[in-house]
Amino acid sequence: DIQMTQSPSSLSASVGDRVTITCRASQGISNSLAWYQQKPGKAPKLLLYAASRLESGVPSRLSGSGSETDYTLTISSLQPEDFATYYCQQYYSTPITFGQGTRLEIK
Amino acid sequence: EVQLVESGGGLVQPGGSLRLSCAASGFTFSSYSMNWVRQAPGKGLEWVSCISSSRSTIYYADSVKGRFTISRDNAKNSLYLQMNSLRAEDTAVYYCARAYQLLSWFDPWGQGTLVTVSS
Repeated sequence: DIQMTQSPSSLSASVGDRVTITCRASQGISNSLAWYQQKPGKAPKLLLYAASRLESGVPSRLSGSGSETDYTLTISSLQPEDFATYYCQQYYSTPITFGQGTRLEIK
Repeated sequence: EVQLVESGGGLVQPGGSLRLSCAASGFTFSSYSMNWVRQAPGKGLEWVSCISSSRSTIYYADSVKGRFTISRDNAKNSLYLQMNSLRAEDTAVYYCARAYQLLSWFDPWGQGTLVTVSS
């Protein structure tokens, strides 16, 4: 199984800050990586897929990059609606696996 | 509007069974792979199972293999998860999610249905 390790597990930041979340795969996944945002009591929402492709309707202040085993999600200027939990997901092989999540909190 | 609506969750005793349903609308259901993903209270996301559009290929997480069965009815635009021999550790919100293909990102997700396994 491919293990996905996210860091940090939690992060405190202010509106306007630039933040980066990292996801490391235990083996190369050839950009088969998605990022999701989840707010309390809600279903996850797709943000990016194929490591760097922004889902339609997602603000351009979010971006993704990386290759092989190391990937990042960057939010260039945090907005109030960005405070949530973020998950990475590899879909390179089954079992499909998720990172443990990064909780982004308001400082 | 693309929509997925889960139902069938509830309280069940350990060793019991439950069948979850996911009703799809707003897209050609028969063209997409479908998945079940669960989230235990206060925990992260765990993929459970997926089924290809034609039902020809099915995968399960090791944690549910032999106990859970995924199925779909393309004529009824519905996805199912039959859960047998339930354990306390199966307690979670269960989401259905659409995938472009069998190994793919998930979009959208349903609102989830809560399964509680407890005596």
